[in-house]
Amino acid sequence: DAKTTQPPSMDCAEGRAANLPCNHSTISGNEYVYWYRQIHSQGPQYIIHGLKNNETNEMASLIITEDRKSSTLILPHATLRDTAVYYCIVRPLNDYKLSFGAGTTVTVRA
Amino acid sequence: DTAVSQTPKYLVTQMGNDKSIKCEQNLGHDTMYWYKQDSKKFLKIMFSYNNKELIINETVPNRFSPKSPDKAHLNLHINSLELGDSAVYFCASSQVRDRVAHIQYFGAGTRLSVL
Repeated sequence: DAKTTQPPSMDCAEGRAANLPCNHSTISGNEYVYWYRQIHSQGPQYIIHGLKNNETNEMASLIITEDRKSSTLILPHATLRDTAVYYCIVRPLNDYKLSFGAGTTVTVRA
Repeated sequence: DTAVSQTPKYLVTQMGNDKSIKCEQNLGHDTMYWYKQDSKKFLKIMFSYNNKELIINETVPNRFSPKSPDKAHLNLHINSLELGDSAVYFCASSQVRDRVAHIQYFGAGTRLSVL
């Protein structure tokens, strides 16, 4: 059972920032927010995770609202290779499995 | 070097046959997983092994039997294959001792087609 809600699809222009929203209104205090993506015909790929602070790495930034009920994944300069299904997942630290929902299909257009 | 490798990449077989999918990881991780992605593209956990011990066994028919000969390998054996077993199967691994997060690394997948 996915604990997150994401828009089914979104388009963005190459070179622009892509902002992917995720609602997780029932998140618990010990649950992290993870983002993975799956490029066509490949396995899922880890992007970033966070608990309550904003996080940034070489791939993306994660903005988590103060009440932790929603978050936004930001791809700062989308490229055609970022076209993929993006999954927002909430999970307690001691839970080994990832529960994937339907995700957001992101299409980056030239 | 591929971190998580699965073989074969494609597997086409007849109903009723028995087949195996192999997975190896060279990341030194202590936990491995099998996920199934069906035709509707939903990814679901099937099994997980930590240090060769089964720790997750979701509602999967007992025709599916995972085997972990060592921490670097987790194979999936499927008996009496059925049409509904057609899917893409992904292996993954992670380091449970990472206190910050359990980042899972996935293989490229094995596309199983049962005819």
